[in-house]
Amino acid sequence: QKEVEQDPGPLSVPEGAIVSLNCTYSNSAFQYFMWYRQYSRKGPELLMYTYSSGNKEDGRFTAQVDKSSKYISLFIRDSQPSDSATYLCASNNAGNMLTFGGGTRLMVKP
Amino acid sequence: EAGVVQSPRYKIIEKKQPVAFWCNPISGHNTLYWYLQNLGQGPELLIRYENEEAVDDSQLPKDRFSAERLKGVDSTLKIQPAELGDSAVYLCASSFRNYNEQFFGPGTRLTVL
Repeated sequence: QKEVEQDPGPLSVPEGAIVSLNCTYSNSAFQYFMWYRQYSRKGPELLMYTYSSGNKEDGRFTAQVDKSSKYISLFIRDSQPSDSATYLCASNNAGNMLTFGGGTRLMVKP
Repeated sequence: EAGVVQSPRYKIIEKKQPVAFWCNPISGHNTLYWYLQNLGQGPELLIRYENEEAVDDSQLPKDRFSAERLKGVDSTLKIQPAELGDSAVYLCASSFRNYNEQFFGPGTRLTVL
């Protein structure tokens, strides 16, 4: 079993929809949680970065971490076709290296 | 500010041939990473450099892979000889004092025939 798991999708939604992307992790020592966005033929780009449990909001994006259930979520409000990409969650211990999930492919249709 | 630069972007080689990838990190970033990304998977760390020193290379297949970071700036990742299973995207990333905020290059897509 991988330490960080994601549903590969694809997830297809209409423009303007609220998108919910999710990850689960197994390592209780993970403290930092990241969401990266990766467009086709590009490298991953850091979107959000949170420490421990709670919510963090940045524009249309909200990251949520529930350490009790080892569940990580990314919500995208008012989704746009430009949000179509693969979303990777990642976690790590303090000072250790990132462990990535396999990514969820999102398609936002006009 | 320029991002992480990688070259070549694409490489097609025959199996058993050598291949090398080059990475120029963001200026001032002391930590450099090489990742392997297979199709439909997340990146997996191959090696991490702190300045010139390779501090985490436990996932690097040392029988055929080698890496160097001369003068603590640019880095080269080499495979010799390449195998069919090495076909993947090789990503370079860099960071400054924060392992959680890594900046990735566009990657080199390797195809081994």
